[in-house]
Amino acid sequence: QKEVEQDPGPLSVPEGAIVSLNCTYSNSAFQYFMWYRQYSRKGPELLMYTYSSGNKEDGRFTAQVDKSSKYISLFIRDSQPSDSATYLCAMRGGGADGLTFGKGTHLIIQP
Amino acid sequence: GAVVSQHPSWVICKSGTSVKIECRSLDFQATTMFWYRQFPKQSLMLMATSNEGSKATYEQGVEKDKFLINHASLTLSTLTVTSAHPEDSSFYTCSARGGGGRGSGEAFFGQGTRLTVV
Repeated sequence: QKEVEQDPGPLSVPEGAIVSLNCTYSNSAFQYFMWYRQYSRKGPELLMYTYSSGNKEDGRFTAQVDKSSKYISLFIRDSQPSDSATYLCAMRGGGADGLTFGKGTHLIIQP
Repeated sequence: GAVVSQHPSWVICKSGTSVKIECRSLDFQATTMFWYRQFPKQSLMLMATSNEGSKATYEQGVEKDKFLINHASLTLSTLTVTSAHPEDSSFYTCSARGGGGRGSGEAFFGQGTRLTVV
């Protein structure tokens, strides 16, 4: 079993829809959870950063962490075509400095 | 967020030659820099972690003699792929994290380097 599981998609939704992206993980030592957005041939851009369980909202984005289920989610409200990209979940903890990434979900917002 | 600049954005080199990739933190001092590699349809995989002024810590399976990392200052780290082979062709990206103030907390990524070895 991989440490972080993420459905690669593609996930295609119409403009204006609410998008739900998620990851599951197996390492209970993970404490820091992040979502990155990556456009083709570019480096990842940090969207959301959450410590431990709970919710965090930033504009149209909401991140949720459920450590008891080892499940994290990213919600995008009022999705726009410019949101089309690959979304990567990442996490770290247990003394490790580097991040463990999911494979990324390719999201397509149809105009 | 803080700005990390990576150069070059793409490079093509001949098999057997060496390639150097630079990673700079432009508006903060990066106490820790990370190097990742991403093959098509795969996750970003951590290759090594480096702290300014000390030797890099390599992940299991990453050859330290092949992937030379230098973190000589708080704003610059370099990755040199020595004696490159076609199987080294990949997307390499760095990230940097500061020790306090701007850039502290989570790591910010450079724009990545697409390496093709022919």
